[in-house]
Amino acid sequence: KAGVTQTPRYLIKTRGQQVTLSCSPISGHRSVSWYQQTPGQGLQFLFEYFSETQRNKGNFPGRFSGRQFSNSRSEMNVSTLELGDSALYLCASSPAGDQPQHFGDGTRLSIL
Amino acid sequence: GIQVEQSPPDLILQEGANSTLRCNFSDSVNNLQWFHQNPWGQLINLFYIPSGTKQNGRLSATTVATERYSLLYISSSQTTDSGVYFCAVRYGQNFVFGPGTRLSVLP
Repeated sequence: KAGVTQTPRYLIKTRGQQVTLSCSPISGHRSVSWYQQTPGQGLQFLFEYFSETQRNKGNFPGRFSGRQFSNSRSEMNVSTLELGDSALYLCASSPAGDQPQHFGDGTRLSIL
Repeated sequence: GIQVEQSPPDLILQEGANSTLRCNFSDSVNNLQWFHQNPWGQLINLFYIPSGTKQNGRLSATTVATERYSLLYISSSQTTDSGVYFCAVRYGQNFVFGPGTRLSVLP
């Protein structure tokens, strides 16, 4: 069974641009969650989607948004990028919310 | 909100040594997972362990939910065990990570 796939693996952007990251969950998993990892703040929860609906959201500004498609694939968008958005963005999937999460390899985003 | 603490923050071991990592949480949780993040940033599932004890090879974990802590045991450590170990808890609809324990296993 294929694992969680995140694309792209690496991305370089400049301040003010926007970016879209993609996550394909494990087949059959309906819950997709996104996390931001930085050296200073550690791993922080961004949001969770289940059956195309955002079920929960962390404490991030409205520049961070996401969506989930009918095939459970999810995208995360960050608009008006800031230097502080440089981070490893991780996606995780699970069959439903309260079950083990499985992580992708992440997208490393660098803002110049 | 919930507080998740891990100790020790850093650990240096000689290959072959045993270690115990601890995760404390400040409130009742729905589940708990242990992860290993390797030097390439990949988060690997180790255990899904809301309560009780599980073993997988050289690794085992115990969660005492009533006392709000979990322990991860690593026996006969190898250099490939190096990396950061995170515990994470499901608290309501949130999934909250601890700050991690950075383990370095020296040859």
